[in-house]
Amino acid sequence: NAGVTQTPKFQVLKTGQSMTLQCAQDMNHEYMSWYRQDPGMGLRLIHYSVGAGITDQGEVPNGYNVSRSTTEDFPLRLLSAAPSQTSVYFCASSTGTAVTAFFGQGTRLTVV
Amino acid sequence: AQRVTQPEKLLSVFKGAPVELKCNYSYSGSPELFWYVQYSRQRLQLLLRHISRESIKGFTADLNKGETSFHLKKPFAQEEDSAMYYCALSGGGNTGKLIFGQGTTLQVKP
Repeated sequence: NAGVTQTPKFQVLKTGQSMTLQCAQDMNHEYMSWYRQDPGMGLRLIHYSVGAGITDQGEVPNGYNVSRSTTEDFPLRLLSAAPSQTSVYFCASSTGTAVTAFFGQGTRLTVV
Repeated sequence: AQRVTQPEKLLSVFKGAPVELKCNYSYSGSPELFWYVQYSRQRLQLLLRHISRESIKGFTADLNKGETSFHLKKPFAQEEDSAMYYCALSGGGNTGKLIFGQGTTLQVKP
């Protein structure tokens, strides 16, 4: 049982490049979310999904797209990377609102 | 507005000293509150849920609705408690969303 798996662990992008951060969970969780972690800011919600085919914006969605074609996968796309998107990205999944969220190990992204 | 505030960026204590990590929240309704911990180079993991009223690794947290607080406490800190601690509030609406505080780094010195 792998839990929540994120790939890659590290990535360096040039400004303007695009990429997809992968997130997969094998716990059959309905709810999945993407957060970014910045010093002094805590974790901020980018996008979230309450089930396959259903996504919505969080607190800081600009510059990011998501889709949820299956229960297991919730990729995060950066269409045109900017230095302000340099951060550590965490994916999480859960079975509901008032229950434990399980996190991936994070992706450290640097945009130069 | 829903908000979580952790006023201390860094809390440094000696081994064996009591620890209190502060968390205040703003939420209209019945809050669901959590403490998550991130040890060095590890993923975030749940430490406590207020609804469970349990003690994990010697830590406890009590929800005080009057003061809108959910402070994390431990009577005797251990070096292995050194980590980043996040207080989080359920975003409600059955969405799985969490609203996090800014985080507090706990440093336990030998």
